[in-house]
Amino acid sequence: AQSVTQLGSHVSVSEGALVLLRCNYSSSVPPYLFWYVQYPNQGLQLLLKYTTGATLVKGINGFEAEFKKSETSFHLTKPSAHMSDAAEYFCAVSVSNFGNEKLTFGTGTRLTIIP
Amino acid sequence: NAGVTQTPKFQVLKTGQSMTLQCAQDMNHNSMYWYRQDPGMGLRLIYYSASEGTTDKGEVPNGYNVSRLNKREFSLRLESAAPSQTSVYFCASSARTGFYEQYFGPGTRLTVT
Repeated sequence: AQSVTQLGSHVSVSEGALVLLRCNYSSSVPPYLFWYVQYPNQGLQLLLKYTTGATLVKGINGFEAEFKKSETSFHLTKPSAHMSDAAEYFCAVSVSNFGNEKLTFGTGTRLTIIP
Repeated sequence: NAGVTQTPKFQVLKTGQSMTLQCAQDMNHNSMYWYRQDPGMGLRLIYYSASEGTTDKGEVPNGYNVSRLNKREFSLRLESAAPSQTSVYFCASSARTGFYEQYFGPGTRLTVT
């Protein structure tokens, strides 16, 4: 079975500073990895995903994540935080299962931007 | 193009009452999902439908039933609501299961007293 651990339920960074949100996964087979963002009182939307190929994945709003198999990690970064980045971020994992795949989400990290 | 729509947006039930949450998508997606979101627990899958005509249990199916009415619609039913079912419920859809992006509805906030 697959699982995801997000380190830090709350992260605060200053506007303009680096954003780093941590995600580690557990999977016995090659995973598909995702980052979703949830703004207040809204559903989730996809930031980026890794399936195969290039391990550095670029997403929307200047975010990127790097798949590191040796570290079983998929950390999310953004070089310079903006006030509009304040939201909750979820890492998720899925594995191939003959058309019956399910997403498993982490518990989320709430990002606060300090002006 | 509305994406994924959910009704109602808010609902208050008394313990033991029943209700159905409705979900519809207009993206011609094959797969649909129901999640619940609770503080500190992320999103947990209740049921999903990989394709029209199939439904399967997720991580937390107890106390719920689902119906994939057609390709567009996927409903979630609480037969006898309990306070432990107080949560925010999200419906999502994707072209297929696997590595395809899931598109989420705006959610239904349910309180059971």
